[in-house]
This record gives sequence, C-alpha cells and structure tokens, in this order.
Amino acid sequence: AQKVTQAQTEISVVEKEDVTLDCVYETRDTTYYLFWYKQPPSGELVFLIRRNSFDEQNEISGRYSWNFQKSTSSFNFTITASQVVDSAVYFCALTPMEGSARQLTFGSGTQLTVLP
Amino acid sequence: DAGVIQSPRHEVTEMGQEVTLRCKPISGHDYLFWYRQTMMRGLELLIYFNNNVPIDDSGMPEDRFSAKMPNASFSTLKIQPSEPRDSAVYFCASSLSTTQYFGPGTRLLVL
Repeated sequence: AQKVTQAQTEISVVEKEDVTLDCVYETRDTTYYLFWYKQPPSGELVFLIRRNSFDEQNEISGRYSWNFQKSTSSFNFTITASQVVDSAVYFCALTPMEGSARQLTFGSGTQLTVLP
Repeated sequence: DAGVIQSPRHEVTEMGQEVTLRCKPISGHDYLFWYRQTMMRGLELLIYFNNNVPIDDSGMPEDRFSAKMPNASFSTLKIQPSEPRDSAVYFCASSLSTTQYFGPGTRLLVL
C-alpha cells in the first residue's frame, strides 16, 4: 500500500517570502516516481515535476526547487520569492516504477495563499 | 500541441438523469485515467485504460458508473442514474510513460 501525506492543509505567506510545502510518503516499492502538481483557482491540474527514486539530487527550476530525501521519505517543494500567482493547491503524488500499475497516489493537497 | 480535452466543462442535471462525460487524450498516449475530485475525498482514481482496454476499475463507486474507450482518441464516463452525491469535478488524464497530464475537468452538479 502507498500513502502520501501533506500535513500542511493551508499556508499563507506574504509576497516575496519563501515557502516550503512538505510531502512525506510511504511505499513498499523499492523504485518509484514522485510528482508535484499545481491546481490554481481555475481548477486544472498542472504537472510541475517528476523525480525517480534513484536520483536524490535536488532540482531547481526558476523560483521552484525540490528536495528529495529518501532517508526520510520526503519530497519537499520550495518556492522562493513567492508571488500572488503562486496561490494554488499543490499536490504531491507517488506511483511505483515497476509493474503494470500506473495509479497515482495523491496527497490531500496544501492550499497556498500568497498575499500581496 | 493540444492537451487533454474534456467536455462539457460544466454540467448541471437533475437526479435520475443520465450524464455522459467525454475525454480526448493527448495524441499518442496509451494510458487514459478518470479521476473524481471532491472536498471530502480528494482526488480518487475511478478507472484507467491501457491501449483502450480497461485495466483497473476498482475505483468505480458502483454500477451506476461505466466507462468506455472505443478508440485511442476518445473515452466516455457515464453515470446512470445520477445522484446528488455524484456532484464533483471529474478529470481525465493521459500518459505515455509515467507522467499523467490532466484535462481541465468537468464540474458536475446533480440537483
């Protein structure tokens, strides 16, 4: 069984602050993929990043960065110098790498509000 | 390139009516997924297909729900008869390898 926990239900920050969204996962699979998706107020789900369990190297894309630590089963997401447009619900998700299963297990999401 | 297309974007219907949601996956993708999102239960996988064949429908809530994929470029999710508790946002997603790309969703309200 797999489980993704996003303990932060809601976070509110003021524009230009840095913010980190936490994601902790549980899986019995030795190889797996981790994802982050963004759901802005308009409602669509936007893919942000995919990481595989082999690669613990942190990744940076503009103001976004991701910290994957297998030892603590965490895949945290940091937004630097947050902007109002970053306001959204952010979902962390997990899927096994091996086998035919392709289901994504989603966390419950973190509602981020960036205030001007 | 066109993303996943869903129609209608909004649907309001009365209890007992049949509802059909439609999805066109990204061209070339071989997996198609149907999800439902509610405040209470979050994102739930209902069913997914691989090469037009249903692989796992264990998430389909009950016999009132059915899904088909007659070809690689079209899928439907049907609810008959609809009930107020079916009110939710229904997402379709497609993938080629692992990353799933989502459509804009259909917001369904059953009165």
